[in-house]
Amino acid sequence: NAGVTQTPKFQVLKTGQSMTLQCAQDMNHEYMSWYRQDPGMGLRLIHYSVGAGITDQGEVPNGYNVSRSTTEDFPLRLLSAAPSQTSVYFCASSPRTGRTDTQYFGPGTRLTVL
Amino acid sequence: AQSVTQLDSQVPVFEEAPVELRCNYSSSVSVYLFWYVQYPNQGLQLLLKYLSGSTLVKGINGFEAEFNKSQTSFHLRKPSVHISDTAEYFCAVSDHGNDMRFGAGTRLTVKP
Repeated sequence: NAGVTQTPKFQVLKTGQSMTLQCAQDMNHEYMSWYRQDPGMGLRLIHYSVGAGITDQGEVPNGYNVSRSTTEDFPLRLLSAAPSQTSVYFCASSPRTGRTDTQYFGPGTRLTVL
Repeated sequence: AQSVTQLDSQVPVFEEAPVELRCNYSSSVSVYLFWYVQYPNQGLQLLLKYLSGSTLVKGINGFEAEFNKSQTSFHLRKPSVHISDTAEYFCAVSDHGNDMRFGAGTRLTVKP
């Protein structure tokens, strides 16, 4: 049972480049989410999904896109990377909702934008 | 929107001493409260959560937290800490929506 997996573990981009952070879960969870973690700011929600085909914005969605074509996968796309997007990104999933269910986190992707 | 304030960014404590990590929240409606722990270079994992019922919640690794509605607090406690408790601890709150808000975190350092 792999839980929540994220790839890559580390990534360095140049300003203006685009890339996709991958997230997958094998627990048949309906709810999936993306957070960014910055020093002194905790985790901030970027986007979330309550099921395949349904996504919504979180607290800091600008500069990021998501889609949810399957229950298992929830990729995060950076359209045109900026230095302000240097951060550690965590994907999480929970059985039904982000409101009351325990969220299970992946190991994170450390992104640096030069 | 709901928000969370963790009152201490760093808490140093000696091994076997008690510890309290403080968390206050703000919300205009009923809330659900969580404490997560992050060990170095890992993702977060749940310590405990309050959804309803008894205001004293027991979690893993000997931690407990008390929900105090009048003081809008959800402080985390452990009567005797170990070196292995060294980690960053996050308080989080959700209400009617699906977006959970996290505090800035408290770094607990347990010294021998």
